[in-house]
Amino acid sequence: AQTVTQSQPEMSVQEAETVTLSCTYDTSESDYYLFWYKQPPSRQMILVIRQEAYKQQNATENRFSVNFQKAAKSFSLKISDSQLGDAAMYFCAYRSDMDSNYQLIWGAGTKLIIKP
Amino acid sequence: DAGVIQSPRHEVTEMGQEVTLRCKPISGHDYLFWYRQTMMRGLELLIYFNNNVPIDDSGMPEDRFSAKMPNASFSTLKIQPSEPRDSAVYFCASSFRHSSSGNTIYFGEGSWLTVV
Repeated sequence: AQTVTQSQPEMSVQEAETVTLSCTYDTSESDYYLFWYKQPPSRQMILVIRQEAYKQQNATENRFSVNFQKAAKSFSLKISDSQLGDAAMYFCAYRSDMDSNYQLIWGAGTKLIIKP
Repeated sequence: DAGVIQSPRHEVTEMGQEVTLRCKPISGHDYLFWYRQTMMRGLELLIYFNNNVPIDDSGMPEDRFSAKMPNASFSTLKIQPSEPRDSAVYFCASSFRHSSSGNTIYFGEGSWLTVV
């Protein structure tokens, strides 16, 4: 069974600085998808960024980028120029490419605090 | 395009009452998921459907919970009778198996349920 581990329950960063959130996963599959979701206090689950395992190039979305290391099974999220609106819970998630197991496997989440 | 639409957004009900949560997935999506989120247990997958057929309901807590998807544009999650421990945020989510969106699961804003 696949597992996702986020080892940092909480992280804090000064506004405008850069922060990296860690995520590791365990799988025996070769084709899969990885995601970072953000959940602000409103509790809405918002997609931040996604990565297809077959792609070697790291995904980037504006100030958000990932460091995908397939061999190490690592998928960290880097937030540059942190803003107050980035404060939220961040969840790393894994999704198999197999129809028989087509659901998200979640990490426990990292609470990100932005200091003004 | 409209996202996943859930109703009601907030519900407060008395123990023993029936609760029905509703969801309209994104048009064209062939997977629909129901999640529950609490502080104690985090995010839990309750059930998911593919083309209106339940695929995995192993996360449904007990017989008091039932979910239906009568057509591609509508699903319900029913709790009868409700108990205080059912208090949680319930998310509906949907995705399209084969798309350029990288098989991303999109979430509704959630239904906040409080059972008193």
